[in-house]
Amino acid sequence: DAGITQSPRHKVTETGTPVTLRCHQTENHRYMYWYRQDPGHGLRLIHYSYGVKDTDKGEVSDGYSVSRSKTEDFLLTLESATSSQTSVYFCATAGVHNNEQFFGPGTRLTVL
Amino acid sequence: TQLLEQSPQFLSIQEGENLTVYCNSSSVFSSLQWYRQEPGEGPVLLVTVVTGGEVKKLKRLTFQFGDARKDSSLHITAAQPGDTGLYLCAGANTNAGKSTFGDGTTLTVKP
Repeated sequence: DAGITQSPRHKVTETGTPVTLRCHQTENHRYMYWYRQDPGHGLRLIHYSYGVKDTDKGEVSDGYSVSRSKTEDFLLTLESATSSQTSVYFCATAGVHNNEQFFGPGTRLTVL
Repeated sequence: TQLLEQSPQFLSIQEGENLTVYCNSSSVFSSLQWYRQEPGEGPVLLVTVVTGGEVKKLKRLTFQFGDARKDSSLHITAAQPGDTGLYLCAGANTNAGKSTFGDGTTLTVKP
């Protein structure tokens, strides 16, 4: 258990509103990731970070932005939420050992 | 783009049966992980394999990495209802870089 928390755990919002999801870790892991999980699509990488202020895009980054101002926090922002962004969002962290990732409990986001 | 294909997509068996799930790719990976995810929770790491031909055992679960490091299998002996969940494999070619996840195998073990 890498001590990963996500907030909020559930959120319902309306189309066009901004949404920010927070991931907090206590293990001082260098790498942090944001995934979305949808039926039939498995886990898809949105953005990831390899250090403070160092981020890169994943396979489904359109409509999302991230920020990492501290090692322990990784924020995912939906600037203008759309119904297609209704999903379960998972944060994960990794140290330096063989790409092993540790996941948070997830945030269920519904965009109406 | 590296792809990992998992099969079967769904598996429903009776308690006590054995099963094998597969994770296949045309790409070579430096390491491969297996995770289990229960409903409403995040995936939990089960094992990492790094050497071609490697076999690792975790109680009733046996994991094998293919000789060419392109595929892997997970065998469960005498499945129990507590084994129910989504099993995900993930591979990567760089240390702690991005991983590619398969779409998972949903296992249901009926009492």
